[in-house]
Amino acid sequence: QSALTQPASVSGSPGQSITISCTGSSSDVGSYNLVSWYQQHPGKAPKLMIYEGSKRPSGVSNRFSGSKSGNTASLTISGLQAEDEADYYCCSYAGSTTLVFGGGTKLTVL
Amino acid sequence: QVQLVQSGAEVKKPGASVKVSCKASGYTFTSYVMHWVRQAPGQRLEWMGWINAGNGNTKYSEKFQGRVTITRDTSASTVYMEVSSLGSEDTAVYYCARYSSSWYFEYWGQGTLVTVSS
Repeated sequence: QSALTQPASVSGSPGQSITISCTGSSSDVGSYNLVSWYQQHPGKAPKLMIYEGSKRPSGVSNRFSGSKSGNTASLTISGLQAEDEADYYCCSYAGSTTLVFGGGTKLTVL
Repeated sequence: QVQLVQSGAEVKKPGASVKVSCKASGYTFTSYVMHWVRQAPGQRLEWMGWINAGNGNTKYSEKFQGRVTITRDTSASTVYMEVSSLGSEDTAVYYCARYSSSWYFEYWGQGTLVTVSS
């Protein structure tokens, strides 16, 4: 099972918006609305930011939003802040009770 | 509050096995499925498999099938993940993560670093 494809890095200035893409296939992202997104700071466990493609857990800023089109899911962060600098991973249900993660994207806040 | 507390760091020689534990608290242990995810240094998250803490059913990623065993002890509210025939490529931080109904992980353990070195 191949990893989902994410850009290796994205960057933006404080206050700007950025979007991270996550491309899979018709076997995973395209078939299920079960994409989640995680933020990971160095040396820390991942933190859930988005689930079921576009839902935010309690406590996560509304600056984070998720969407999906075809086989590609996207995470958008608006009003970038310094503390948003981290690695971001998408994850999709892939059928037969299995999961697949993306390759990860390093977000740099300039 | 939900807590997942993992065992401490391990150093193992190539060919050995390692068993990592994940003790759960703050919820009904047998009502949830627990997953394991690993992350090699500087690399991506990698899904390994899961166990239904209620009935003990398991599922493994094809990559780890046959080399990884996930078990649980309901009396101790603890899940275990064992990797056999360790190689240097198994050097990684291993995380347990509690499954939520729509295939996402709201709760994670703190991670356990396993280093494989001769």
